[in-house]
Amino acid sequence: SQTIHQWPATLVQPVGSPLSLECTVEGTSNPNLYWYRQAAGRGLQLLFYSVGIGQISSEVPQNLSASRPQDRQFILSSKKLLLSDSGFYLCAWSIRRGIQYFGAGTRLSVL
Amino acid sequence: AQSVSQHNHHVILSEAASLELGCNYSYGGTVNLFWYVQYPGQHLQLLLKYFSGDPLVKGIKGFEAEFIKSKFSFNLRKPSVQWSDTAEYFCAVNGGTSYGKLTFGQGTILTVHP
Repeated sequence: SQTIHQWPATLVQPVGSPLSLECTVEGTSNPNLYWYRQAAGRGLQLLFYSVGIGQISSEVPQNLSASRPQDRQFILSSKKLLLSDSGFYLCAWSIRRGIQYFGAGTRLSVL
Repeated sequence: AQSVSQHNHHVILSEAASLELGCNYSYGGTVNLFWYVQYPGQHLQLLLKYFSGDPLVKGIKGFEAEFIKSKFSFNLRKPSVQWSDTAEYFCAVNGGTSYGKLTFGQGTILTVHP
């Protein structure tokens, strides 16, 4: 069966520090991969999606970037965190336009 | 661009009451529609989906939703809620050549009192 792993679960980082959040999927090949940010009362906002290795599409301009170095690995990064980057980040996968399956999320606090 | 609107931010009910959560979307083409649920401390998980066919779809835990194309709506219903239904509910849509990208509504927090 397919599983999705996301880590770390919680992260506290100072302003200006770098960020790397990792997401891996097991049990499927060539999935679509997604990074969302969830804010209270605002639902989930799609940040990035990828339909293949090295293929990244950004949905909103921001201080973050994403990479997909392997088929089932999706990384969310920043060179210098801002206070406004605080939030709950979710990774998800799907097969083409099908159901999306979500990871447990990372709570990021930038202080 | 797609957008999704959920009518209520916070709904409070007593057990056994009926539930209807509103969801409207804006997209002129063919859509896939979803309701996701996030129970306290748990992953976001699929409650039910509509891809095609019968516009009345049934999901887990006694939930159902009806797709009304003319109203661009996909409302979630349950005839009798339980305390364990306390959660946040999200409506989502993908359509067109959107590579499966989901556009989510703002979410509705449901609190059920025993």
